[in-house]
Amino acid sequence: DIVLTQSPATLSMSPGERATLSCRASHSVSVSLSWYQQRPGQAPRLLVYEASKRATGIPPRFSGSGSGTDFTLTISSLETEDFAVYYCLQRGSWPATFGGGTTVEIK
Amino acid sequence: QVQLQESGPGLVKPSETLSLTCTVSGGPITGLFWSWIRQTPGGRLEWIGFIMYSGRTRYNPSLESRVTMSVDTSKNQVFLQLTSVTAADTAFYYCARLAPYGGHPDEWGRGTLVIVAS
Repeated sequence: DIVLTQSPATLSMSPGERATLSCRASHSVSVSLSWYQQRPGQAPRLLVYEASKRATGIPPRFSGSGSGTDFTLTISSLETEDFAVYYCLQRGSWPATFGGGTTVEIK
Repeated sequence: QVQLQESGPGLVKPSETLSLTCTVSGGPITGLFWSWIRQTPGGRLEWIGFIMYSGRTRYNPSLESRVTMSVDTSKNQVFLQLTSVTAADTAFYYCARLAPYGGHPDEWGRGTLVIVAS
């Protein structure tokens, strides 16, 4: 199985700051990678798919980049509602696998 | 706007079978793929498998011997059965639609917590 390693595990930030989240794959997944946001008590919500395409209704402050084994999710200016857990998911190889998550918390 | 709602027993005894239903509203299930994904209380996500409206399935090899997914297109429902459960199967279980343009989960149900305990 492809292992996705997310870093850092926790990101302590202030509103308005830029957040950079990393997802590294143990083998190439091309661009078959998506990002999800999960708030407490809610299901994951799709933010980005195919590494860099924003999902419908997602604000432009969220952007994804990367290909192969290294991927980044950037939140250009954190809003209060962005403090949550973020997961990456690869579908380049079956079984699809998720990363362990990055928690973005208020400093 | 499609909506998904998981339902089923919240408590299952060890060695028994976990059975869940996903009811889809706001659109037909035909022509699309549907998946089950679970999340442990610690937050780890695991893709259980997916099923096409026609009944074609693909399961995670780690669970394949215990998993069965099925659909009822007349009721717009997707089903999950997981046999011989143990405490390790305690998790939130989510039903999710796979995007027709990329195959990634794009719409999720709210999830249902299943606890395996005697």
